[in-house]
Amino acid sequence: GQNIDQPTEMTATEGAIVQINCTYQTSGFNGLFWYQQHAGEAPTFLSYNVLDGLEEKGRFSSFLSRSKGYSYLLLKELQMKDSASYLCAVRSMDSNYQLIWGAGTKLIIKP
Amino acid sequence: EAGVAQSPRYKIIEKRQSVAFWCNPISGHATLYWYQQILGQGPKLLIQFQNNGVVDDSQLPKDRFSAERLKGVDSTLKIQPAKLEDSAVYLCASSLARQGDGYTFGSGTRLTVV
Repeated sequence: GQNIDQPTEMTATEGAIVQINCTYQTSGFNGLFWYQQHAGEAPTFLSYNVLDGLEEKGRFSSFLSRSKGYSYLLLKELQMKDSASYLCAVRSMDSNYQLIWGAGTKLIIKP
Repeated sequence: EAGVAQSPRYKIIEKRQSVAFWCNPISGHATLYWYQQILGQGPKLLIQFQNNGVVDDSQLPKDRFSAERLKGVDSTLKIQPAKLEDSAVYLCASSLARQGDGYTFGSGTRLTVV
């Protein structure tokens, strides 16, 4: 079956670095997405990985290892506004190219 | 470009009542999705449209939920009759094509069934 796992909650300090992990077991892998979702708001796109390696975009980076079924989202120079849920999603060719979603990781930033 | 428009933003109804949500996707986006997101969980796909045709509605509780996308543009999702467990945020998303780079979400409708 299709399954995505990520930690339920993480806490980090303002100005620090945090890594949010995501592991997946899916068939027909066709890309991995990270979305940010602030409380009461819709998810917004952060990053997309389809090949192995690191994709960097400002303070945020995302890494993918397809052989290990593993990804992480790295957030640097944390700001209070980064407090949100971070959703990992995998696109599957075997599911009409739909995104299969993890439950999200709630990130709490402390001063 | 304008984003995905959804209405209403909030809705409170009693169980057994009916409710409808509306979504207007980004212009030109062929694929439209309706998701249900319960607090603390990831989005759960209810139905996927490609233009005005249904691609996947396997997780749509068809005894009470229905959706349509007439003319391949805007879409409505209806619940009739509502149950307490339908309390959730209903998100609409659109993308250019099935293999699009990602989805753009609307602001969602927060439904409370009492």
